[in-house]
Amino acid sequence: GAGVSQSPSNKVTEKGKDVELRCDPISGHTALYWYRQSLGQGLEFLIYFQGNSAPDKSGLPSDRFSAERTGGSVSTLTIQRTQQEDSAVYLCASSLTSGSYNEQFFGPGTRLTVL
Amino acid sequence: AQKITQTQPGMFVQEKEAVTLDCTYDTSDQSYGLFWYKQPSSGEMIFLIYQGSYDEQNATEGRYSLNFQKARKSANLVISASQLGDSAMYFCAMREWNSGYSTLTFGKGTMLLVSP
Repeated sequence: GAGVSQSPSNKVTEKGKDVELRCDPISGHTALYWYRQSLGQGLEFLIYFQGNSAPDKSGLPSDRFSAERTGGSVSTLTIQRTQQEDSAVYLCASSLTSGSYNEQFFGPGTRLTVL
Repeated sequence: AQKITQTQPGMFVQEKEAVTLDCTYDTSDQSYGLFWYKQPSSGEMIFLIYQGSYDEQNATEGRYSLNFQKARKSANLVISASQLGDSAMYFCAMREWNSGYSTLTFGKGTMLLVSP
């Protein structure tokens, strides 16, 4: 079956512009996660959705970052007034539920470059 | 304090040899899970192996095994008979429960290079 998909795969933008990143989880997966991976670093947790609600937004680095999920499926991560330090790969993952063993399946990521 | 520590930024191993990638973790929870993921140069994160905190046996998946030492809070990944295709970044991650849902925290990763 189809895995997690993300679009765009690459995004180059100018400092100060807004960007929207999209994640389409595996069908039937209720839990969805956004991570950020800066060059040569591990994954930094951003936000978690269970269904359409986000019980944990603690990882969002600033109020320029927001995310929503509609219909318990597609999620968008929006970064307003982008800064150069926002340049990173943004990874989305989904799992069946958020239970203790539910493996997270990752998408291919969106590489964001802010000039 | 870091919750997941991977002390080896890079490791080298020769093809067909075994290699151990270290991971230590910090948690006060009794129920948690430990994962290893592989990230090749193409960028996708590939799940390798899982160990639950209550599992008494060490997890194994093909050439991958997890050396789980709960008292020492370590969860090292052992890759037997390394192959050239094993060259990648490897991330250790821990799942903890938090008010009814779980979060996943990753270490900084270890770059493994397998030489012929």
